[in-house]
Amino acid sequence: GAVVSQHPSWVICKSGTSVKIECRSLDFQATTMFWYRQFPKQSLMLMATSNEGSKATYEQGVEKDKFLINHASLTLSTLTVTSAHPEDSSFYICSARRGTPPVKQYFGPGTRLTVT
Amino acid sequence: DAKTTQPTSMDCAEGRAANLPCNHSTISGNEYVYWYRQIHSQGPQYIIHGLKNNETNEMASLIITEDRKSSTLILPHATLRDTAVYYCIVRPGGSGGGADGLTFGKGTHLIIQP
Repeated sequence: GAVVSQHPSWVICKSGTSVKIECRSLDFQATTMFWYRQFPKQSLMLMATSNEGSKATYEQGVEKDKFLINHASLTLSTLTVTSAHPEDSSFYICSARRGTPPVKQYFGPGTRLTVT
Repeated sequence: DAKTTQPTSMDCAEGRAANLPCNHSTISGNEYVYWYRQIHSQGPQYIIHGLKNNETNEMASLIITEDRKSSTLILPHATLRDTAVYYCIVRPGGSGGGADGLTFGKGTHLIIQP
């Protein structure tokens, strides 16, 4: 089956620093990737849609200048949390949409970010 | 996307069938029912989806009522590894929910008891 990886699986950073999270589709090309965020004991919330070669589309309430998304190739999208603060601590999950039939979304394992 | 209602939590004995209900009374004619699950601290996993007919795959069965206002996900022989939060999502499109980002509700926390 289709595999999506994320790196790192967990990261601890100091307040004010930036953190980059990678999302890769390992065995298929993904023209579209999605980024979600999940706070403890809450459900996943869609943050943004990332399209290869174009600007990402952010959901309402998500700061595009704080959460920088780059989708430079058909197998890689990155999410950079800039000037991270403790309230950005969360579980970040990406998914990749395979364009060839059957068109499905495949989720990565998630990245646990802790900002101290 | 149509709103769904699921019980907050359910228990099931290991080896028994787990039946997870979902109410989607406002579902539109072009909307499918999708089920995903999320094991603790992992990304969601696609389980199954359907439009109006009952569906079965290697993981589960999906029973959709004739009026399509509710459905039931059935895990035929639950194991401890099936303990997870199960999400019922209703949305247009029939290819595994691949078109757009998904809207997750609170889901049902299924706990399989040994």
